[in-house]
Amino acid sequence: EAQVTQNPRYLITVTGKKLTVTCSQNMNHEYMSWYRQDPGLGLRQIYYSMNVEVTDKGDVPEGYKVSRKEKRNFPLILESPSPNQTSLYFCASSSPGPVRETQYFGPGTRLLVL
Amino acid sequence: TQLLEQSPQFLSIQEGENLTVYCNSSSVFSSLQWYRQEPGEGPVLLVTVVTGGEVKKLKRLTFQFGDARKDSSLHITAAQPGDTGLYLCAGRTGGGNKLTFGTGTQLKVEL
Repeated sequence: EAQVTQNPRYLITVTGKKLTVTCSQNMNHEYMSWYRQDPGLGLRQIYYSMNVEVTDKGDVPEGYKVSRKEKRNFPLILESPSPNQTSLYFCASSSPGPVRETQYFGPGTRLLVL
Repeated sequence: TQLLEQSPQFLSIQEGENLTVYCNSSSVFSSLQWYRQEPGEGPVLLVTVVTGGEVKKLKRLTFQFGDARKDSSLHITAAQPGDTGLYLCAGRTGGGNKLTFGTGTQLKVEL
C-alpha cells in the first residue's frame, strides 16, 4: 500500500530535550516536505526537499532541522524544543511533474512541549 | 509569502443544506487544490484546478477557479454528515512543488 508513515504519532516532551520525528514514504517520490498545523493558520511549510541531499527552508523553519540522506526518509529534528513548537506536524511526499500532481500526507504527529 | 484566506472559518449546517466555501488571495496561482482532512488524519486531495474559470464537479461537490486565478470556491449540494471535516485550499505558483495552504474551513453537518 502506497503510504507516508510518521513516528511517533503522539509525543509529550519538555523544553530543551532534543527530539526527532521520522517520516518515510514507499512511493519513490523525489519531493518531501514538513508542515505544521495550528488552529486558524492552516498548514505552514517548515522545510522541503527536492531530492536526496537537497533541502531548503519553507515558511517557518526557525527551530527545526531536517536531513535527506535516503530518498524514502525525511526526519524532522527539534534540537531544543520550546512550547511554541507545540503543534500538529505532517510529512508529505510527491513526485515532480505537471501542476496536477498530488501530495500524499502522513497521519500526523501531535507534539506537546511543556 | 502568499496568503490564502478562507471563509467562513467555521460552518455548522443541517443535512440537506447547500453551502459554499471561499478561498481568496491577492496572488495569482498556476494551480489550486482542495483538500479534506478528517480528525486524526492527514489532508486528502479532492481536486486540482488549473485554468482560470475552470469548473470541476465531484459528485455533490463543485469547484471553481476564478477567472484571474486568484480565488476559488467549493460548493456542496445537499450536504451529508459524511461531508464533515476540515476543508483546505492550497495554491501553487509557477512550476514548483511548493504549496501555500489556506486557513481552513471547519464544516460540521448534523442530522
